[in-house]
Amino acid sequence: DQQVKQNSPSLSVQEGRISILNCDYTNSMFDYFLWYKKYPAEGPTFLISISSIKDKNEDGRFTVFLNKSAKHLSLHIVPSQPGDSAVYFCAARAGGTSYGKLTFGQGTILTVHP
Amino acid sequence: DGGITQSPKYLFRKEGQNVTLSCEQNLNHDAMYWYRQDPGQGLRLIYYSQIVNDFQKGDIAEGYSVSREKKESFPLTVTSAQKNPTAFYLCASSINRRTGELFFGEGSRLTVL
Repeated sequence: DQQVKQNSPSLSVQEGRISILNCDYTNSMFDYFLWYKKYPAEGPTFLISISSIKDKNEDGRFTVFLNKSAKHLSLHIVPSQPGDSAVYFCAARAGGTSYGKLTFGQGTILTVHP
Repeated sequence: DGGITQSPKYLFRKEGQNVTLSCEQNLNHDAMYWYRQDPGQGLRLIYYSQIVNDFQKGDIAEGYSVSREKKESFPLTVTSAQKNPTAFYLCASSINRRTGELFFGEGSRLTVL
C-alpha cells in the first residue's frame, strides 16, 4: 500500500526553465511534508518542507505547493540548473508519530539539460 | 564539522552471515533512524530510536536488529534471517522537534553473494 506516490519516474527539463515535480498521498493523517534531493551513492539532503496549515512555502528557487483537498503536493524549481539533476523524493509525516518517521515516495529522476 | 558517518560504504556478505553496519553522529541529536532503499522504491523505515536505550520497529524490521547504548551511535545488524538483504542502507538523525528534518549519512551498500 503506497501511501506516498510519485507517478513520474523521470523528468527532463531545459536549463533556465521550470521543473515541476509532483507527489500524491492517501493518508489523511499526514500533516507535514518534505522534499529531499539525492545524488547517486549519497544520502538524501533536505530541500524544503511545508506544514499542512499552509499551502505554499518558498525558499530561493524552490517552492512547494500543497493542495490538501486533492492530497497533492508539488515542488517547483525556477530556474532549473544542471546542478539540480538528481533524484527527488517527497516524504510525509503523520501527526502524533516520531518526528523522523517519514513515508517516502519512489522518487523522480530530474535531468536538467544545458 | 558535524555530521553522520556510516561505515563501511560498501560491504559484501555471504549468505547466512550476519553483518553490522555502523552509524555515528556528532550532531547531538536525540533521535536516530535506519532506512533501506531498493531500486525504484522510496526509502523504507527499518528501526528508529528516540532516546538512548530505547528503540522501536519500523515498517520492515524483520531480519534486522539494533542497539542504542550511546547517544552518538546506532548500529544496525543485518541477520541471516533477512531474506533479501542486498540494498542501500541509510542512517539518519533528527532533533525531536515537529519541524526538524532528517539528516542522512552517505549510506552503506550491502551486497549478498
